[in-house]
Amino acid sequence: SQQGEEDPQALSIQEGENATMNCSYKTSINNLQWYRQNSGRGLVHLILIRSNEREKHSGRLRVTLDTSKKSSSLLITASRAADTASYFCATTGNQFYFGTGTSLTVIP
Amino acid sequence: EADIYQTPRYLVIGTGKKITLECSQTMGHDKMYWYQQDPGMELHLIHYSYGVNSTEKGDLSSESTVSRIRTEHFPLTLESARPSHTSQYLCASSDWRGQATDTQYFGPGTRLTVL
Repeated sequence: SQQGEEDPQALSIQEGENATMNCSYKTSINNLQWYRQNSGRGLVHLILIRSNEREKHSGRLRVTLDTSKKSSSLLITASRAADTASYFCATTGNQFYFGTGTSLTVIP
Repeated sequence: EADIYQTPRYLVIGTGKKITLECSQTMGHDKMYWYQQDPGMELHLIHYSYGVNSTEKGDLSSESTVSRIRTEHFPLTLESARPSHTSQYLCASSDWRGQATDTQYFGPGTRLTVL
């Protein structure tokens, strides 16, 4: 990938458990965003964290950013079957790059 | 729900045909993008535009072309479709000048199959 690598590539959990996805990037950024993609659809913006922020919350989502390690994590708490989707990180700096994505399956 | 539309949603076409994938947005966004995405794979930027009469090539080499005659419209054309063009094509837009965040809004995609 040009910029972002996500880990794990695929994750399968039971409903009610927490899901954590990680994103690493290579160059300096202005901000980092997380997107969600349901199968066969376009991406939907979930949350943005600026380069001077360390943590951000939105509902059941918690995002952390460590610019010294060039990494971010997305935590989805109390997962639901409807959270089943692919999740992508995207970085904005000189260019806009998407990561490789994590496929999350939440089993009812 | 984003106000960005793509047509057709699905297209099956024979080799050698000329096709145009349509993308329109009603949000007044200046920046628009086309991505190519194979199933379960990452997105690859193939074209983008900063505004009317601006078109730029992305990171992935593509035989397609784009035009931006109107702010709201950013069609992508393949002059001669080949089986290697089979993929999902995603259009997106962002309010690039109005903010520094470049948050993108995506259309539903066009799934293209070239036989």
